[in-house]
Amino acid sequence: EIVLTQSPGTLSLSPGESATLSCRASQSVRSRYLAWYQQKPGQAPRLLIYGASSRATGIPDRFSGSGSGTDFTLTISRLEPEDFAVYYCQPYGSSLPLTFGGGSKVEIK
Amino acid sequence: EVQLLESGGGLVQPGGSLRLSCAASGFIFSSYAMSWVRQAPGKGLEWVSGITGSGGDTYYADSVKGRFTISRDNSKNTLYLQMNSLRAEDTAVYYCAKDQVVLVPEIMDVWGTGTPVTVSS
Repeated sequence: EIVLTQSPGTLSLSPGESATLSCRASQSVRSRYLAWYQQKPGQAPRLLIYGASSRATGIPDRFSGSGSGTDFTLTISRLEPEDFAVYYCQPYGSSLPLTFGGGSKVEIK
Repeated sequence: EVQLLESGGGLVQPGGSLRLSCAASGFIFSSYAMSWVRQAPGKGLEWVSGITGSGGDTYYADSVKGRFTISRDNSKNTLYLQMNSLRAEDTAVYYCAKDQVVLVPEIMDVWGTGTPVTVSS
């Protein structure tokens, strides 16, 4: 089972700034099979990124993913008010169970 | 429009049972794997269980193995989670999620709104 460590735990930023979130895996993630989800308070998670860098349907291009092996990054450029949320990473493509990182919260400064 | 609607949550005593349902619409249900993911109050996401599109293979987190059973009725476009021997630590919002693929659960691209489960005496 892959253990994921997300950092920072909380990031305080202003609208218009950029956010860089990190996801580190305990072992190499096969073929860049990593997804990112966004969750706003009181709402279900939403798929943002899969395959480490492919945006899901309807996700704006200010969201970008990168990385491989054990280190992955989610970048949100030009933060909009609706981007303040918690973000989770999740690897796939190897043995189950699926696991999630502990989450990174992007809050308004 | 692709939609998932969970139901069946509620308050149950420790040791009790509950069956969750997830009604799917807007897509060919049998063509996709499905999962249940839960979130305890104030905590992160925990994948609980998954099932292939045909229902032939099921998968569980160690924390629920032997107590929970996932199933699906493709003729009714409905996913189920039978939860037995419930514990306080099972208290959470339970989400139903559709996968991008038909086989092993991987990428959950559509989520329901969740149904809350509280295990308490």
